[in-house]
Amino acid sequence: DTEVTQTPKHLVMGMTNKKSLKCEQHMGHRAMYWYKQKAKKPPELMFVYSYEKLSINESVPSRFSPECPNSSLLNLHLHALQPEDSALYLCASSQDQGLAEAFFGQGTRLTVV
Amino acid sequence: DAKTTQPPSMDCAEGRAANLPCNHSTISGNEYVYWYRQIHSQGPQYIIHGLKNNETNEMASLIITEDRKSSTLILPHATLRDTAVYYCIVRVAEYGGATNKLIFGTGTLLAVQP
Repeated sequence: DTEVTQTPKHLVMGMTNKKSLKCEQHMGHRAMYWYKQKAKKPPELMFVYSYEKLSINESVPSRFSPECPNSSLLNLHLHALQPEDSALYLCASSQDQGLAEAFFGQGTRLTVV
Repeated sequence: DAKTTQPPSMDCAEGRAANLPCNHSTISGNEYVYWYRQIHSQGPQYIIHGLKNNETNEMASLIITEDRKSSTLILPHATLRDTAVYYCIVRVAEYGGATNKLIFGTGTLLAVQP
């Protein structure tokens, strides 16, 4: 199983809502990542977890809150988002934070209204 | 991590080899060259990586110049399904740390024409 599964595939939320994006992998990978991708732009790194600990936070606003409850799961909690946060949110995992190739999910298409 | 420069777009005829260039003139001795691609509306997909020797796998070949300042990804027989944005990335070859990041540049949009 070389799959990274993201749910939901699409999400529409209001600016006052709280929602969560979920990411799951069963490859035994110990590094997991969140990326944000705007239309016609490359993916931008948001967070990196290594062995369930936050390793990198790319100065992401606090309205995005990551969580890694165990080695297979990665969540991104969303609160008080702005319309400009609408984007494709991609999750990825790799064996560790070193050389190993990263496997990406298909993403969650988020629209903030 | 060193920066990369890629042409914004390229065309290739179906069945022909696609050669995608990448410049990384400031690459350090401990940095690898990675290639990923992203087909429309999908997550990025790993293709290949290398340090200084040429590499080949079932998807592509990677040719790195002797001075390591540039590289070329070769898709030997391009198909319509190879139409995608191709990203060349350099990153340090060490475990963990606050600086070990997979950072995407603007990439090359390869359009394979029938």
